Amino acid sequence: DAGVTQSPTHLIKTRGQQVTLRCSPISGHKSVSWYQQVLGQGPQFIFQYYEKEERGRGNFPDRFSARQFPNYSSELNVNALLLGDSALYLCASSLASYLAGDSGANVLTFGAGSRLTVL
Amino acid sequence: GQQVMQIPQYQHVQEGEDFTTYCNSSTTLSNIQWYKQRPGGHPVFLIQLVKSGEVKKQKRLTFQFGEAKKNSSLHITATQTTDVGTYFCAGRVSTSGTYKYIFGTGTRLKVLA
Repeated sequence: DAGVTQSPTHLIKTRGQQVTLRCSPISGHKSVSWYQQVLGQGPQFIFQYYEKEERGRGNFPDRFSARQFPNYSSELNVNALLLGDSALYLCASSLASYLAGDSGANVLTFGAGSRLTVL
Repeated sequence: GQQVMQIPQYQHVQEGEDFTTYCNSSTTLSNIQWYKQRPGGHPVFLIQLVKSGEVKKQKRLTFQFGEAKKNSSLHITATQTTDVGTYFCAGRVSTSGTYKYIFGTGTRLKVLA
């Protein structure tokens, strides 16, 4: 079974540009979450989607947006890139949304990430 | 805002020594998960703790959830070079009727052979 796949693995953009990152969850997982990890820090929560609906949003500006498709894959878009957006963007899939109870369904399986460099 | 802090930030140990990382939340957590991230890798799930005062063991790893569900610890007995990496706790918190996982600041472990 394939794990969580993300693309592209690396990309370089310049300030002001826009970027789209893609994520395919584990087969059977309906929830996708996006995290930003700056070098040396812990992952910061950006979005969670479940059944194509946004179920949670972190403290990120409106330049960040995401969506989930009927096949449960997801895209993260970042507009008007800033130097500070340089980071590893991680996608994590789980069986259920965070509204589910304290079960293993909330375990996050991460992809390898997309490393974004903004020049 | 809701924060999850971990101490220490870095820990260097000789192979065979024990290691402990502590996780402290500013708010009560619904549950807590622990992840390990190898250098250049992505976080990998280790365990989930749900109940107040819960203790779980995985071989040389012992995980504990505090009675108030605001802190947790991970203890590794007799470290090995394969334990190298950054250990993150992730606490589940409620916000505006939904839940999200807030990751801690991480503890980077180096094991000297």
